[in-house]
Amino acid sequence: NAGVTQTPKFRVLKTGQSMTLLCAQDMNHEYMYWYRQDPGMGLRLIHYSVGEGTTAKGEVPDGYNVSRLKKQNFLLGLESAAPSQTSVYFCASSDPRDNYYEQYFGPGTRLTVT
Amino acid sequence: GQSLEQPSEVTAVEGAIVQINCTYQTSGFYGLSWYQQHDGGAPTFLSYNALDGLEETGRFSSFLSRSDSYGYLLLQELQMKDSASYFCAVSLRYSTLTFGKGTMLLVSP
Repeated sequence: NAGVTQTPKFRVLKTGQSMTLLCAQDMNHEYMYWYRQDPGMGLRLIHYSVGEGTTAKGEVPDGYNVSRLKKQNFLLGLESAAPSQTSVYFCASSDPRDNYYEQYFGPGTRLTVT
Repeated sequence: GQSLEQPSEVTAVEGAIVQINCTYQTSGFYGLSWYQQHDGGAPTFLSYNALDGLEETGRFSSFLSRSDSYGYLLLQELQMKDSASYFCAVSLRYSTLTFGKGTMLLVSP
């Protein structure tokens, strides 16, 4: 049982490049989330999904897109990276049927945009 | 909107008890959660208060008072491995979380 995994662990992009971050969970959770964490800050919600085929905006969605084509995967895309998107990105999952209040986090992706 | 305030840093010695406070301003939430994060690693869930009062989980306890817009995390019998950042977060619709900026706990021998 791997829990929540994220790919890649590290990435360096040049301004204007695009990339996709992959999150996968093997707990059959309905809900999935993408957060970003900047130095000295708490995590801020980018987008979330409450089931396969659904997505919704969080607190800081600008510059990001997401897709949830399969229940176990949640993709975060940056179409045209900007230095302001340098951050650590965490994916998380939870399930309304089981300890609905507890989110399980992945190890994070450290992204630098130069 | 939601905002949560926590002290930026707390220091304590091994074996001591420490309390990390969290005050919030929110228009409505389902509960108050606490997460631990070591050195920028994955945050891990510690505790959740849906109702006012104290919740105890081993060495950790958490408290919520909705009338005072206040909660705290209490860590007892501190160990070196408890050195980490601690975040309070309000739980909203679909279990989304709004986090405070975190409190760095430094435990010394």
